[in-house]
Order: sequence, then structure tokens, then C-alpha cells
Amino acid sequence: KNEVEQSPQNLTAQEGEFITINCSYSVGISALHWLQQHPGGGIVSLFMLSSGKKKHGRLIATINIQEKHSSLHITASHPRDSAVYICAAGRETSGSRLTFGEGTQLTVNP
Amino acid sequence: GAVVSQHPSRVICKSGTSVKIECRSLDFQATTMFWYRQFPKKSLMLMATSNEGSKATYEQGVEKDKFLINHASLTLSTLTVTSAHPEDSSFYICSARSLGLAGFMEQFFGPGTRLTVL
Repeated sequence: KNEVEQSPQNLTAQEGEFITINCSYSVGISALHWLQQHPGGGIVSLFMLSSGKKKHGRLIATINIQEKHSSLHITASHPRDSAVYICAAGRETSGSRLTFGEGTQLTVNP
Repeated sequence: GAVVSQHPSRVICKSGTSVKIECRSLDFQATTMFWYRQFPKKSLMLMATSNEGSKATYEQGVEKDKFLINHASLTLSTLTVTSAHPEDSSFYICSARSLGLAGFMEQFFGPGTRLTVL
């Protein structure tokens, strides 16, 4: 079992739909990151969470430390949101080293 | 937010040559930078942790003589792929660690470098 697991692996949505991507982790963490990777490879850091909830535009990230679970929500999805979304856990025992989930490939169709 | 750049963004080289990739933190000082490698349709794999002024710490299975890392200043780390072979073709990504606005240590990722070895 991977230390960081994401679901679903692939997600196809229609423009405008509300999207949720889930991330569960089994290690103690100091922070959890949500990253976005577009075709062509560049990675953008969306959120870093250690507790609660953060919002940026149409993106919302939540984390439940007790349940070791985080979710990334996209409201009013748009084709330009199509990308791979990766969660990564920063472990308490290893400083800033990150353990990455396998990623969720999101495709938003017009 | 903080910006990390990588140069070049793409490089094609012949087998046997060496390739240097630069990672720069543009508006902050990074005591620690990380180098990752990503295979197609796979997640990022940490290759090494680079601390300014000291030797890099390599992950198990990563050849330190093959992948030379130098972190000469607080804003620059370089990865040199020596005697590159086609199996070294990959997407290489760096990240830089810095104290964020909220007081937490954050990681900021570079855009990546696509290496193709012919």
C-alpha cells in the first residue's frame, strides 16, 4: 500500500461540474501539498495545508488530520482545469521531503 | 508566491555527452533544493536533496557519479547528467524550500526540464 493514495486515478467531467479529488495518507505529516501539472509537465503548487481549509478562486482544499484525508474541490470546472492533480505529504520525520500520490488525471470537456 | 526557474526547459543531446540543468530561486533564498525525476505517466521520484554549501544527499538507487548536484549559492542548484544515455531521458524537476508567509516551510516547484538523449 502506498503511503499517499489518491482517488480517482482518472476523472472526466463536463464543463461547469463540481469536482472532488481525494487523498489519503498513512504517515504522520507536517503539511500536505496539492500540485497541478499541465501537459508539457510544468508543476504549479496550488495549496499547502496543515489544517482546516484553504480557498483560492474556484479551488478549495480541505484536510482532516484525524482521518488523514484531504480533498481538492474545483467549482464550476472549465476545460482549462484539465491537468494532473497530485497530492504530496510532507512527513514529520523527514523535514520537507515529500511523498507523492500517483496523481489524478482530470479532463473537463466543453 | 515564490518563483523557481529551470534552464533549459528542453534539451536534446547525443549519447555520451553531459548536460547541465540549472534551478534558480528568483526572489528568495533557498537553503534546500530538491531534484526529482518523472517518468511518463508516473509520479515524481525524489533523486536528491541539495543543501547550500554541502554535499547532496542522494536517494537509494540514484548514482551520485551519474547525477552530479552542486548547490553553490542560496539561489542556484545545478544537476549535471554525465555521460548521458537514452535511458536518462526523462523530465527533471527541482523544488526549493523556503519559509512561507504563514511561517511554514514551503516548497516551490520549477517548471521542469525535458531531457531527450538520442
